[in-house]
Amino acid sequence: QQPVQSPQAVILREGEDAVINCSSSKALYSVHWYRQKHGEAPVFLMILLKGGEQKGHDKISASFNEKKQQSSLYLTASQLSYSGTYFCGTEQGNTPLVFGKGTRLSVIA
Amino acid sequence: EPEVTQTPSHQVTQMGQEVILRCVPISNHLYFYWYRQILGQKVEFLVSFYNNEISEKSEIFDDQFSVERPDGSNFTLKIRSTKLEDSAMYFCASSERVRTGRYEQYFGPGTRLTVT
Repeated sequence: QQPVQSPQAVILREGEDAVINCSSSKALYSVHWYRQKHGEAPVFLMILLKGGEQKGHDKISASFNEKKQQSSLYLTASQLSYSGTYFCGTEQGNTPLVFGKGTRLSVIA
Repeated sequence: EPEVTQTPSHQVTQMGQEVILRCVPISNHLYFYWYRQILGQKVEFLVSFYNNEISEKSEIFDDQFSVERPDGSNFTLKIRSTKLEDSAMYFCASSERVRTGRYEQYFGPGTRLTVT
């Protein structure tokens, strides 16, 4: 089942912070976050696993609430390069990743 | 840094024709995937492949689609008789080990398929 992302779009000025949310109605094993710039491939940002393990880039932070089946991606002190569409992908354990519809982030000077 | 490569970058074909999209996954990766993204929409899973066989496939991956690993490096997606609605960006991805979500997937740059 497709996860639900919110907000659908957000506009930030450089230096501002944003939170992107991803929620599922199913029990999750992992949540993956990717960023896709226009015309390019999705780029891996972070994995959050049931039980608290995380893997990802140092400058990205995220949380995974296992009870609520929700994950949040925290973008702090945004830069122009953060612009793109952020997708969460959820996985229930030995199942394919199912991606949300994405959150379009625009960072302006 | 190792990366997934895909060829061609853009393929234009007529409805009813067969197309083969090619991918070279990262060399030490064991799981391979194909995804589709219709313009402006979300990334959709098509199929995963491990140990020379399909692990999972979605409803989109019907009899018109097939995948193959013809040699030790290439991973191909064949669409037997293309339809207009097959027009999309097709991404190949690979991951290092088991499929249980513990390992990140690395995406190739994609092949834009246009069916006319």
